[in-house]
Amino acid sequence: DAMVIQNPRYQVTQFGKPVTLSCSQTLNHNVMYWYQQKSSQAPKLLFHYYDKDFNNEADTPDNFQSRRPNTSFCFLDIRSPGLGDAAMYLCATSSRLRGEQFFGPGTRLTVL
Amino acid sequence: KNEVEQSPQNLTAQEGEFITINCSYSVGISALHWLQQHPGGGIVSLFMLSSGKKKHGRLIATINIQEKHSSLHITASHPRDSAVYTCALSSPVQGAQKLVFGQGTRLTINP
Repeated sequence: DAMVIQNPRYQVTQFGKPVTLSCSQTLNHNVMYWYQQKSSQAPKLLFHYYDKDFNNEADTPDNFQSRRPNTSFCFLDIRSPGLGDAAMYLCATSSRLRGEQFFGPGTRLTVL
Repeated sequence: KNEVEQSPQNLTAQEGEFITINCSYSVGISALHWLQQHPGGGIVSLFMLSSGKKKHGRLIATINIQEKHSSLHITASHPRDSAVYTCALSSPVQGAQKLVFGQGTRLTINP
């Protein structure tokens, strides 16, 4: 089945220790999104890729970076995680024409 | 004031009841999405609407563009429908669609 896969599902890191979250898709969608969802809050868009074009939201901290080496994969790098970065990180994809977003299961990040 | 408001925030009902969740918004949109998230689960897209009405199984979504209002209905509700339902506004941005999420409605269906 075509899907959006996120690894790992749970990630524990230490304060200040860089961490990378992974997202892959078999839908061949040209748009990939990263959202941050804190407890009991709505998801918040961090950035998205349209093909290779990276688009950062204005209020996304510099601590968050992303890479998309090819259509299928997208990575979220948190350079120096703080306690406030503990959250669920959601990856989603869409095709430019249809607009419906398909979400991965998320990675729950814990910062100690 | 938030761009998108959902009501109610929490809803508890008995199995079999007809459920309505409302979403009002204040900005122009290209589409409105209804999303479902089960406890501990991922987000599933239920509907994407730009006009009229869509139906999928026991779920029905409607939108009134002039009134800036959308509803999600569940007929013959079942405990497995217990989840958080969220409406999200969609607007085009840099080749993609940016979603602005409502705060969600936590639905509990008791057997």
